[in-house]
Amino acid sequence: GAVVSQHPSRVICKSGTSVKIECRSLDFQATTMFWYRQFPKQSLMLMATSNEGSKATYEQGVEKDKFLINHASLTLSTLTVTSAHPEDSSFYICSARDRNGYTFGSGTRLTVV
Amino acid sequence: GQNIDQPTEMTATEGAIVQINCTYQTSGFNGLFWYQQHAGEAPTFLSYNVLDGLEEKGRFSSFLSRSKGYSYLLLKELQMKDSASYLCAVRERDDKLIFGTGTRLQVFP
Repeated sequence: GAVVSQHPSRVICKSGTSVKIECRSLDFQATTMFWYRQFPKQSLMLMATSNEGSKATYEQGVEKDKFLINHASLTLSTLTVTSAHPEDSSFYICSARDRNGYTFGSGTRLTVV
Repeated sequence: GQNIDQPTEMTATEGAIVQINCTYQTSGFNGLFWYQQHAGEAPTFLSYNVLDGLEEKGRFSSFLSRSKGYSYLLLKELQMKDSASYLCAVRERDDKLIFGTGTRLQVFP
């Protein structure tokens, strides 16, 4: 079946630094990738939709200058958390639309100290 | 706006049946998914409904009523390993998948 590889699985960074999270579709082409954030004991919240070759569309309340999304190829989308702060600590997960539905990455646990 | 509501927590006994409800109000509707999620892991697909009615898949069944904006997930013969969060998610017409508030299910022996 379809596989989306997400890296890193865990990252700890210092406040004020930037962190890049990658999602790669391994055996299919993902023209659209969705990025979610999940706080403890909460559900997945859609942050943005990334489209290959065009600008990402962000959900209301999500700062596009803080969460930079790049979808430069049909198999790779990246989310960069810029100038991270402790309140950005969360579980970030990507999802790609595939032939049968949606395939999720394994998630990235970001801790900002 | 979008509202997809589920009960926050439920408990049940091993071997029992549990029904997890989901009500939704979204700007568009193109199907409803149910996922299981263990803490710190990706959601795992359970079922998909796009037409009204019941879809059965082993111990899991899901029901949809589009006119009522309502779905439920039915889990039969509960096992301890079914303790997890269960998420309903609506696919909107632009293919966005919007998740409900999620239900944490705890199964007791």
